[in-house]
Amino acid sequence: DTEVTQTPKHLVMGMTNKKSLKCEQHMGHRAMYWYKQKAKKPPELMFVYSYEKLSINESVPSRFSPECPNSSLLNLHLHALQPEDSALYLCASSQVSRPLPQHFGDGTRLSIL
Amino acid sequence: GESVGLHLPTLSVQEGDNSIINCAYSNSASDYFIWYKQESGKGPQFIIDIRSNMDKRQGQRVTVLLNKTVKHLSLQIAATQPGDSAVYFCAENISGNQFYFGTGTSLTVIP
Repeated sequence: DTEVTQTPKHLVMGMTNKKSLKCEQHMGHRAMYWYKQKAKKPPELMFVYSYEKLSINESVPSRFSPECPNSSLLNLHLHALQPEDSALYLCASSQVSRPLPQHFGDGTRLSIL
Repeated sequence: GESVGLHLPTLSVQEGDNSIINCAYSNSASDYFIWYKQESGKGPQFIIDIRSNMDKRQGQRVTVLLNKTVKHLSLQIAATQPGDSAVYFCAENISGNQFYFGTGTSLTVIP
């Protein structure tokens, strides 16, 4: 079992739907991350939150909207996604200060119809 | 067995042999590196890390070597076991909390 919990594990949605991915950790980490991973590719950084504030946005399209309501929770709101957005979405957390190995959840497998 | 990272993304080794997985990183300013193991259907799992003021670090059955001159990392796994079969990624920390992952190498252990 991982210490970072992501829900749902699988999500199928149409291009006009609105859905949200959720991530929770109780390790006291104050940095949280969203990554996108396509099949047989490395994870690609999307967003980083540090002390509940967005610190890095890797030029992600606005149809992805992150939210960090408190230090334990991270959401990714999805709207008007495209088929190419189908991927595994991984959440991670870490301490803010170095060294800072990240702890990953097992991801949400997203399919866009 | 040994991989060459970007040029050989798959590596097959016999059980009990040592494995060497290589990674070339891109940014000479990167000063912290992590190796992750990702099993099918799972998120990446931390294996070992190294800071740029070191050139070698050992863990349980694993050793990471860092060559800053040529921007190269390697992960050595001793006495490889079937449970080591997975995809292995190196990740470099450019600054702050910004991490970038290498291409990855798929390791298959043959019983």
